[in-house]
Amino acid sequence: EAQVTQNPRYLITVTGKKLTVTCSQNMNHEYMSWYRQDPGLGLRQIYYSMNVEVTDKGDVPEGYKVSRKEKRNFPLILESPSPNQTSLYFCASRYAGSWNYGYTFGSGTRLTVV
Amino acid sequence: GQQLNQSPQSMFIQEGEDVSMNCTSSSIFNTWLWYKQDPGEGPVLLIALYKAGELTSNGRLTAQFGITRKDSFLNISASIPSDVGIYFCAGQTGTASKLTFGTGTRLQVTL
Repeated sequence: EAQVTQNPRYLITVTGKKLTVTCSQNMNHEYMSWYRQDPGLGLRQIYYSMNVEVTDKGDVPEGYKVSRKEKRNFPLILESPSPNQTSLYFCASRYAGSWNYGYTFGSGTRLTVV
Repeated sequence: GQQLNQSPQSMFIQEGEDVSMNCTSSSIFNTWLWYKQDPGEGPVLLIALYKAGELTSNGRLTAQFGITRKDSFLNISASIPSDVGIYFCAGQTGTASKLTFGTGTRLQVTL
């Protein structure tokens, strides 16, 4: 089944403790992206990647890192999480040249930083 | 970063009613997309629009790409309970990997 898989689905952590949220897609998509969703703000892009070793900042990159060493994986790293990073996170992917510009989204990771 | 304004923020309607929602931007977009998010899931693409003035349907859903390229509209006809969820518009311009999302319209359907 074609899908974007995020892990974990739920995570509670403490301020300052480094964490990684994994994202993997099995559709051979070139583009991958991370979004955070907060009430009243919709989805805001954190980072995106157009292919292996090609990444760029989105609208809210502060406090996050990403890497794209393999085409299928795009982990999101929080080096020193803070409470304002408590949010619902989505990973998404799509083909580079598809006429259909829609991203396929994962099921989300709900992160709570205390 | 830029965000799109969606209205209304939420809607409570009865089953069978038609629904209209819209999305506006201060900037021009080359592509407009409409997504639906079910509770506990990620957004799923409903309709994609690629040309100013374009009107596209997908079953009971109809969406339009505004002629100014700064807005888009989504209509749902004869709503049913499974239409419940949050509807997001998204605009795309420039780098194809960047999508800007709206703030969402939460739809509740009562029997």
